[in-house]
Amino acid sequence: KNQVEQSPQSLIILEGKNCTLQCNYTVSPFSNLRWYKQDTGRGPVSLTIMTFSENTKSNGRYTATLDADTKQSSLHITASQLSDSASYICVVSSNYGGSQGNLIFGKGTKLSVKP
Amino acid sequence: DAGVIQSPRHEVTEMGQEVTLRCKPISGHDYLFWYRQTMMRGLELLIYFNNNVPIDDSGMPEDRFSAKMPNASFSTLKIQPSEPRDSAVYFCASSFVGGRETQYFGPGTRLLVL
Repeated sequence: KNQVEQSPQSLIILEGKNCTLQCNYTVSPFSNLRWYKQDTGRGPVSLTIMTFSENTKSNGRYTATLDADTKQSSLHITASQLSDSASYICVVSSNYGGSQGNLIFGKGTKLSVKP
Repeated sequence: DAGVIQSPRHEVTEMGQEVTLRCKPISGHDYLFWYRQTMMRGLELLIYFNNNVPIDDSGMPEDRFSAKMPNASFSTLKIQPSEPRDSAVYFCASSFVGGRETQYFGPGTRLLVL
């Protein structure tokens, strides 16, 4: 069964600290993995996307890694800011046949950054 | 572009009433998705369209749910009759071929069925 598991469910850190969010998946076939950021009361916004051959992708203070062998991804946030408080959702695409609907969503990690 | 537009932003209704959610995708996007988000289940894909044609509605929970896309700039998701378990945030998203499947989400409609 295709699944995406994220950990931890929630995390509280102090402003300025780093943190790492985890995503494990059992999706086959694999097309790409994406991290979304969802602010409270808003829709998700794409942060990074990685295909099978990409090990790391950065977007400002956000760095995502992918290990396709172990089927694990992480999202590292450097020097956290209060605006990083949000839910982070890992999404894996099983895009066989070119269909855009084969997306498997994790339940997200809720990050709270405190001053 | 204003992004994906959804209306209403909040809806409170009583069990048994009909609810209609509306979505205007980003101009030029040829895919449109309807999602439901709850704390327990996270984001779930309900249905998606390509060039106004429904491609996969396997995520629609039951016959009480229906979706239409009469043209490239408008879609509706209807629940009739509504039930308390339908309470959730409903998101519309759009994307385009060649966009690496990046979906652009609207702000969502928060539905509460009493």
